[in-house]
Amino acid sequence: DAGVTQSPTHLIKTRGQQVTLRCSPKSGHDTVSWYQQALGQGPQFIFQYYEEEERQRGNFPDRFSGHQFPNYSSELNVNALLLGDSALYLCASSLSYGAGNTEAFFGQGTRLTVV
Amino acid sequence: GEDVEQSLFLSVREGDSSVINCTYTDSSSTYLYWYKQEPGAGLQLLTYIFSNMDMKQDQRLTVLLNKKDKHLSLRIADTQTGDSAIYFCAEIFEYGNKLVFGAGTILRVKS
Repeated sequence: DAGVTQSPTHLIKTRGQQVTLRCSPKSGHDTVSWYQQALGQGPQFIFQYYEEEERQRGNFPDRFSGHQFPNYSSELNVNALLLGDSALYLCASSLSYGAGNTEAFFGQGTRLTVV
Repeated sequence: GEDVEQSLFLSVREGDSSVINCTYTDSSSTYLYWYKQEPGAGLQLLTYIFSNMDMKQDQRLTVLLNKKDKHLSLRIADTQTGDSAIYFCAEIFEYGNKLVFGAGTILRVKS
């Protein structure tokens, strides 16, 4: 079992550009969540996808969007990048949205640097 | 509201016990989690506790929950240098799987 895989591992972009980050969930998991972790802080929830729809959203602007594919993999898109978007972006997969507890497994993250 | 607070730093000697503390504000939390993050890595789930439990033990890890005071702690017995990392407390709510994290506690283990 490969666990949660994210790509790329590192990325450098220029202000104003757009970026797409990718996540493949753990085998058997159907729910994918995205988190932003700024340096020295805890992860902040961006949004969650289940059955190819956004189910919950955190306090992030519309520049942050996502998608989930039929195979449960997911993409996070960020438009009009700002310097403040520099962070570690973490993907977490879990089973059965709305089931209460579920163990969320995290990928290694994508380190995005905006210059 | 959603808010999780942790102490920022803890230093212990190898072989001693470590206790990392966390407070949360939302009494509707159903599960509380402890995650470990090593430098440059993602988050590793260590353990979790259901909100109707007081204690959970898993090998060297003991989780204590005081629901009245909204206080959660993680005790690591016989702390090793490999335990040096950042530890995050997180809570989840009844509906949906959104995790709310604290800012993390840096644990340094001195040999």
